[in-house]
Amino acid sequence: EAGVTQFPSHSVIEKGQTVTLRCDPISGHDNLYWYRRVMGKEIKFLLHFVKESKQDESGMPNNRFLAERTGGTYSTLKVQPAELEDSGVYFCASSQDHPEAFFGQGTRLTVV
Amino acid sequence: GQNIDQPTEMTATEGAIVQINCTYQTSGFNGLFWYQQHAGEAPTFLSYNVLDGLEEKGRFSSFLSRSKGYSYLLLKELQMKDSASYLCARGGGSQGNLIFGKGTKLSVKP
Repeated sequence: EAGVTQFPSHSVIEKGQTVTLRCDPISGHDNLYWYRRVMGKEIKFLLHFVKESKQDESGMPNNRFLAERTGGTYSTLKVQPAELEDSGVYFCASSQDHPEAFFGQGTRLTVV
Repeated sequence: GQNIDQPTEMTATEGAIVQINCTYQTSGFNGLFWYQQHAGEAPTFLSYNVLDGLEEKGRFSSFLSRSKGYSYLLLKELQMKDSASYLCARGGGSQGNLIFGKGTKLSVKP
């Protein structure tokens, strides 16, 4: 069974540009989560989808971040326009039954 | 990290036992998780405690005291491959929303 996959693994963009991160959860998992780790800090929750609906988006930093999960399968997280402080590792996780969540390897985003 | 505290680094010897402590803010508690993360890899689930006491799973055990806001992860018969970061996390307000500590980097020496 394939795990949670994220694309790209690394992205370097200039300040002001747009970047879209993709997450493919484990097939059949209704719950999909986005987290972010800024260098030197802890992993922080961004948002939670149940199928295609946003269950909790309390962790989204601001309106430059847009997450979608059309059809309840894969999800995208778009940052537009990117700022320097958006640099970090973005993790996606999925689960079917609480509590175990399976994480992807993350996308390392560098904004220069 | 919303008051989740764990040591930054620990060092232990191959074959030994190590205990990694974690304290957390008890309000809104919804379970205590431990994850292992090797450098550059995905965090992987180790354990989940929602009731007080010790949960044993092979070489790894996890303990919880809800009244004290305290947990520990116990690793026995340490192996070199156990060198990794160990992340303590508590369940947050909504199901699945995890609140992480900064992690403890464990180095296992020969």
